[in-house]
Amino acid sequence: AQTVTQSQPEMSVQEAETVTLSCTYDTSENNYYLFWYKQPPSRQMILVIRQEAYKQQNATENRFSVNFQKAAKSFSLKISDSQLGDTAMYFCAITNQAGTALIFGKGTTLSVSS
Amino acid sequence: GAVVSQHPSWVICKSGTSVKIECRSLDFQATTMFWYRQFPKQSLMLMATSNEGSKATYEQGVEKDKFLINHASLTLSTLTVTSAHPEDSSFYICSARLAVYSYEQYFGPGTRLTVT
Repeated sequence: AQTVTQSQPEMSVQEAETVTLSCTYDTSENNYYLFWYKQPPSRQMILVIRQEAYKQQNATENRFSVNFQKAAKSFSLKISDSQLGDTAMYFCAITNQAGTALIFGKGTTLSVSS
Repeated sequence: GAVVSQHPSWVICKSGTSVKIECRSLDFQATTMFWYRQFPKQSLMLMATSNEGSKATYEQGVEKDKFLINHASLTLSTLTVTSAHPEDSSFYICSARLAVYSYEQYFGPGTRLTVT
C-alpha cells in the first residue's frame, strides 16, 4: 500500500523568506505521480505542483519548486519569497499512473507572517 | 476550466435523517469521481471511488449502506448519508478525474455536514 509521511505538523516563516516542507512516501508502483496541494482557510484544495516519477528533472512553478529524490522516496516542497497568501495547510499526495485516488499525508500547517 | 462544484456548501440535519450531497463537473465529463472525508485540521481520507454507470468502490472501514454513492451521469455524483448521526459530522470533499487515463483531479469546494 502507498503511504505518505509529512513529519512537520506546523511551520512558520517570515514574508520574503524561503521555507521547505518535507515529504517522504512509499510505493511499490513503478509509475506514479506526486503532488503538493494547498488548502487555505477556505478549504478549497488547490494544486501547487506535480511531479511525474519517471522525470528526473525537478518540477518548478513560479515560486514553488520540488526536490524529488526517487531513490530516497523523498519529495520536498520549497517555497521561495514567501507571501502572506501562502498561509495554508499543505498536503503531499501520491497516485499511480492509472489516476486512482490520491493518498494524502497528514499535512503541514504553514504560517507566513509579516 | 476543469471546475467542480458541490451542493450544498453546508448543511445541518437532525440525527436519524438522510442528507444528499451533489458533486458536479461543470465543464468536463468525469468518468471517475472520488469522495473524501476530512476532520478538522486533519488529512483527507478517501471514502470511495465512483465510476459512471457502475457501483462505487468503497475503502475499507467505510459503511456502504450508510454512505450511498451514485454516479448516474458523466457530470454528477451524489453522496447520501443515511440515518445520520453526530459522528458523521465532517467536511466532505469530492474530486473528479479529467479523463480515463489522466492523473489530473480537480476538487470541489467541499460540504460541511453538521448532524444535531
